[in-house]
Amino acid sequence: EAGVTQSPTHLIKTRGQQATLRCSPISGHTSVYWYQQALGLGLQFLLWYDEGEERNRGNFPPRFSGRQFPNYSSELNVNALELEDSALYLCASSPGKGGTDTQYFGPGTRLTVL
Amino acid sequence: DQQVKQNSPSLSVQEGRISILNCDYTNSMFDYFLWYKKYPAEGPTFLISISSIKDKNEDGRFTVFLNKSAKHLSLHIVPSQPGDSAVYFCAATNSGYALNFGKGTSLLVTP
Repeated sequence: EAGVTQSPTHLIKTRGQQATLRCSPISGHTSVYWYQQALGLGLQFLLWYDEGEERNRGNFPPRFSGRQFPNYSSELNVNALELEDSALYLCASSPGKGGTDTQYFGPGTRLTVL
Repeated sequence: DQQVKQNSPSLSVQEGRISILNCDYTNSMFDYFLWYKKYPAEGPTFLISISSIKDKNEDGRFTVFLNKSAKHLSLHIVPSQPGDSAVYFCAATNSGYALNFGKGTSLLVTP
């Protein structure tokens, strides 16, 4: 069974640009979560999508947004990039709606903002 | 506001000995706790979990203990193996919400 996949692996942008990161969940999983791991910090929860709807949002500005498609894949968009957005962005999927469902992570997208 | 704390950034243990990784949390609403393991250039891998109605859960060499009154959990690895060298993240959630992670503890198991 294929795991969670993310693309691209690495992304280099300049300040002010927009970045789009993509995630494909494990087959059969309807929930997708996005996390940011900045240098020296733990994983910070960004967004949670389930059945195409945004279910919860972490403490991030509105320029972090996303969506979930009918096939449950997801996109994370970061607008007006700032230097501190440089981080590893991890996507996870789970079979259901959060809580005790185990989240399975992809390998991440390393975003570098110059 | 860090609701899940792993106060030891690193730990070194000899092969065959016990590794004990600790985690503290502040939110009494958390009712489910997980440990993830992460190798460089890979995403975190689920290791073991425990519900707040239990105080211990065991899976092979891995045991998680939960002390709700102290808001503390720990992961025991016995015996430790060099392949266990990785960063271990503690995570917590209250049902229906996303995970709150600690900053991780880097475990090094030496031969």
